[in-house]
Amino acid sequence: EPEVTQTPSHQVTQMGQEVILRCVPISNHLYFYWYRQILGQKVEFLVSFYNNEISEKSEIFDDQFSVERPDGSNFTLKIRSTKLEDSAMYFCASSGIQGNNQPQHFGDGTRLSIL
Amino acid sequence: GNSVTQMEGPVTLSEEAFLTINCTYTATGYPSLFWYVQYPGEGLQLLLKATKADDKGSNKGFEATYRKETTSFHLEKGSVQMSDSAVYFCALKAQGGSEKLVFGKGTKLTVNP
Repeated sequence: EPEVTQTPSHQVTQMGQEVILRCVPISNHLYFYWYRQILGQKVEFLVSFYNNEISEKSEIFDDQFSVERPDGSNFTLKIRSTKLEDSAMYFCASSGIQGNNQPQHFGDGTRLSIL
Repeated sequence: GNSVTQMEGPVTLSEEAFLTINCTYTATGYPSLFWYVQYPGEGLQLLLKATKADDKGSNKGFEATYRKETTSFHLEKGSVQMSDSAVYFCALKAQGGSEKLVFGKGTKLTVNP
């Protein structure tokens, strides 16, 4: 069964540095998402991406964050000038077509630790 | 805004015990409802879903029924196994254009022999 793959599985970064989290969505999917889960808290929506542009974003997704689909396969989340509170598990997801009947398929996540 | 409330964990059961994990939601209209499962060291996997009132989602012996009158989507399994040990997340997707999933906090289940 096709999978969403994320790299790296664990990223350790100094506060203030930039980090790029990478995702390869399922190949025929059209919608892409990033979520995060701070330890002990809920999984929170960050952003959705369709047709090479952001379709929806949460209030968490401020100017510090950006997303990109640099080629036909990768989907990246960039966090500029990281802060301690950015430490979390970041999940990428993808889905086929819009609508309530299409589930989102998740990757295994990247654990981001800011020191 | 939309929200999902799950019963607090952790839940510890013996093999073959009956499982219920409660989930209630707040949303306008008819959201779609999901249960995701996260096994240790892995990502979120869709377990089951229901997209309209009175629908029953089922998979791997788990079931959940979309109850509009009580705004609930409780997860049940008649006889759990050790391999069911995981964290279970209830989630909704609002009716209309938004594609984002709104998750509950998750309930950790441990099944002992």
